[in-house]
Amino acid sequence: QKEVEQDPGPLSVPEGAIVSLNCTYSNSAFQYFMWYRQYSRKGPELLMYTYSSGNKEDGRFTAQVDKSSKYISLFIRDSQPSDSATYLCAMSGILTGGGNKLTFGTGTQLKVEL
Amino acid sequence: NAGVTQTPKFRVLKTGQSMTLLCAQDMNHEYMYWYRQDPGMGLRLIHYSVGEGTTAKGEVPDGYNVSRLKKQNFLLGLESAAPSQTSVYFCASSPHRGGGPVYEQYFGPGTRLTVT
Repeated sequence: QKEVEQDPGPLSVPEGAIVSLNCTYSNSAFQYFMWYRQYSRKGPELLMYTYSSGNKEDGRFTAQVDKSSKYISLFIRDSQPSDSATYLCAMSGILTGGGNKLTFGTGTQLKVEL
Repeated sequence: NAGVTQTPKFRVLKTGQSMTLLCAQDMNHEYMYWYRQDPGMGLRLIHYSVGEGTTAKGEVPDGYNVSRLKKQNFLLGLESAAPSQTSVYFCASSPHRGGGPVYEQYFGPGTRLTVT
């Protein structure tokens, strides 16, 4: 069983819809929870991160963490065609000697249709 | 700032050939990482470095070697390429936080490698 599970999609929604993306995880040692956005043929870029359980909002994006259920979510309000991308959840632990070990979900492919 | 750059962008190798992928970052980051991304597998850590002159193994290190002779560069080598190494390779870097938590990593644009 993978440490991080994420539905690969694809997910297709109409412009303006609310999108919900989710991941579950099994490792209680994860400290930070992140969402990366990856456009086609590009590298992932950090979208949002959260440290503790609860919600964090940034514009149209809301990240939610429920540590008791080992479940994280990303909500996108008023979705736009420019949001079409693959969304990767990632969870952070510590590497030997420093640095952070990111464990990624497989990514959910989102398409926002006009 | 260019951020994280990777060379080359694309490469096709025959089985048994060798090559080196170059990663460079201009953000003075302490930590650097090499990942591979495969369909259905997500991003997996190959090797990482916590500073100039240091390297360590990640989840899937077999068949790869790395070197970090300069702080800004991290090289990934394939000594004898195999079809199973066909993948998209990403380099990333992250800053040192003075002992505090480190979470964000900055990724390069990737190298698409095909081994036939």
